[in-house]
Amino acid sequence: AQSVTQLDSQVPVFEEAPVELRCNYSSSVSVYLFWYVQYPNQGLQLLLKYLSGSTLVKGINGFEAEFNKSQTSFHLRKPSVHISDTAEYFCAVSVDQTGANNLFFGTGTRLTVIP
Amino acid sequence: ETGVTQSPTHLIKTRGQQVTLRCSSQSGHNTVSWYQQALGQGPQFIFQYYREEENGRGNFPPRFSGLQFPNYSSELNVNALELDDSALYLCASSLSRGAYSYNEQFFGPGTRLTVL
Repeated sequence: AQSVTQLDSQVPVFEEAPVELRCNYSSSVSVYLFWYVQYPNQGLQLLLKYLSGSTLVKGINGFEAEFNKSQTSFHLRKPSVHISDTAEYFCAVSVDQTGANNLFFGTGTRLTVIP
Repeated sequence: ETGVTQSPTHLIKTRGQQVTLRCSSQSGHNTVSWYQQALGQGPQFIFQYYREEENGRGNFPPRFSGLQFPNYSSELNVNALELDDSALYLCASSLSRGAYSYNEQFFGPGTRLTVL
């Protein structure tokens, strides 16, 4: 079985400060890893994904994440946040054995950028 | 290119009723997945349809059922509604070139269902 743990439910940060949103996963098989963002009253938008290759993944809006297999982590980072980054962020994993390619999501981290 | 659309945007039902939610997949996509997102939680996988057949199911009871049509649009049906069914229901579409290949999912804005 797979599971995703987002260690922080809420992260307040001042504008232009760096931020790290933490994600740990558990799986007995190889996984694909994702970060999604959800703005109020909207669906999910893909920020970035790790499928294979380089463990440092760059996404949209200046976000990046690093896959660490030994620590089973996939933390999301941004060197300087903007007010517009205020949203809910979800880490998700997918496995390649079900055929359904369904995503297992964490419970989310609410990022609030303070002016 | 048209994105994933869902209807209706909001819906209010009472316990015991039945509901049908609809999803139009992104142009060119042949696979649709449904997720339930309860308040304050991450989305949970309900099921996926590929080539008009169910291609995987999460831990949801049989009163959650679905359909996929030849144009790849999809419906989610929930019978005998319970209070805990109140949630945001998200549809995601993707292009599969085989049942076992990973493919990026694009999400719609969701349908907010309230059960009273």
